[in-house]
Amino acid sequence: NAGVTQTPKFRVLKTGQSMTLLCAQDMNHEYMYWYRQDPGMGLRLIHYSVGEGTTAKGEVPDGYNVSRLKKQNFLLGLESAAPSQTSVYFCATTRVGELFFGEGSRLTVL
Amino acid sequence: AQSVTQLGSHVSVSEGALVLLRCNYSSSVPPYLFWYVQYPNQGLQLLLKYTSAATLVKGINGFEAEFKKSETSFHLTKPSAHMSDAAEYFCAVSTGNQFYFGTGTSLTVIP
Repeated sequence: NAGVTQTPKFRVLKTGQSMTLLCAQDMNHEYMYWYRQDPGMGLRLIHYSVGEGTTAKGEVPDGYNVSRLKKQNFLLGLESAAPSQTSVYFCATTRVGELFFGEGSRLTVL
Repeated sequence: AQSVTQLGSHVSVSEGALVLLRCNYSSSVPPYLFWYVQYPNQGLQLLLKYTSAATLVKGINGFEAEFKKSETSFHLTKPSAHMSDAAEYFCAVSTGNQFYFGTGTSLTVIP
């Protein structure tokens, strides 16, 4: 039982490149979230999904897109990476009011 | 709207001393409140949560927190700090399935 798995764990991009972060969960939870974590700013919600085929914007959605084609997967895309998107990204799911986090994906944009 | 304020971005305590990490929240409805811990290069783990049952909540690793509605606070305490407690701690509030995090407090334990 892996819980919440994020891939890749590390990535370095050049400005303007695109990439996709994958979040996979095996807990059959409906809700999934993407957060970014930056020093001194805590966790900020990028996008979330309340179920398969649905997505919604969070606090800082600009520059990101998401898709939830399958219940167990939640993808976060950067179409044209910018240095301001250098961050640690966390995926999470929730059940009964508790968040379960992945181990994070550290992205550096040069 | 919900928000969380953590007073003190860095806290240092001596090993064996009391740990007190402060959290104040604002919420328009009765909230669920959480403390999460993050060890270096890891994701966040749940320490404890308040869900409107007992106001004093006990969590893992000897931590506890008290919900004080009149003060809109949910401070985290541990009677005696251990070296392994050094980590980043986040307070969070949720209503429904939306979660709002504080900016975190980094705890250093001095031998």
